[in-house]
Amino acid sequence: LAKTTQPISMDSYEGQEVNITCSHNNIATNDYITWYQQFPSQGPRFIIQGYKTKVTNEVASLFIPADRKSSTLSLPRVSLSDTAVYYCLVATTGFQKLVFGTGTRLLVSP
Amino acid sequence: GAVVSQHPSWVICKSGTSVKIECRSLDFQATTMFWYRQFPKQSLMLMATSNEGSKATYEQGVEKDKFLINHASLTLSTLTVTSAHPEDSSLYICSAGPGREGMWEQYFGPGTRLTVT
Repeated sequence: LAKTTQPISMDSYEGQEVNITCSHNNIATNDYITWYQQFPSQGPRFIIQGYKTKVTNEVASLFIPADRKSSTLSLPRVSLSDTAVYYCLVATTGFQKLVFGTGTRLLVSP
Repeated sequence: GAVVSQHPSWVICKSGTSVKIECRSLDFQATTMFWYRQFPKQSLMLMATSNEGSKATYEQGVEKDKFLINHASLTLSTLTVTSAHPEDSSLYICSAGPGREGMWEQYFGPGTRLTVT
């Protein structure tokens, strides 16, 4: 399982774009990258998943450079309700157990 | 789609008693489910992997006789905390996924808050 490194915390204001970067230097060929969001006392919620280049869905974008040693979760125009902890996970293709790092605590202020 | 539920959402029990927590995949079949524990302001810690029809695989340091896991069907896994003590108070979260080619994302239940008094 590839080890991931994220900033412990980030601050932003409503309406801004937030980019959270995750480092995963020892990512393997078959590994894919997934981001989860977690609110206090709730289970993590799937945000987005990708393998390479760019993936976009209705809530976020995921940018993965060619070397795949890092990835960036982009949240457009955040709101107060986006205040949460965001986890980046790297796992091999297949139904693997997930190892959570410390995550990034995002605080969105008015 | 891909909804995972847990029951109960919270439970309070006395020290020494046992508590059962259910995890259900509502709209897909889950051959494998995972159980996590999370203490306040900490990350999720994997406790065990629950396989349908077979014994669970526990992570190092997790007592299998204390945390009994049963994966009776493709949509239900249960975690029983036996002889609970105050230090077992935590948020217990399960996860599951379709587990099919191209659909490897996991979906998490809402968690069960256990308080042992």
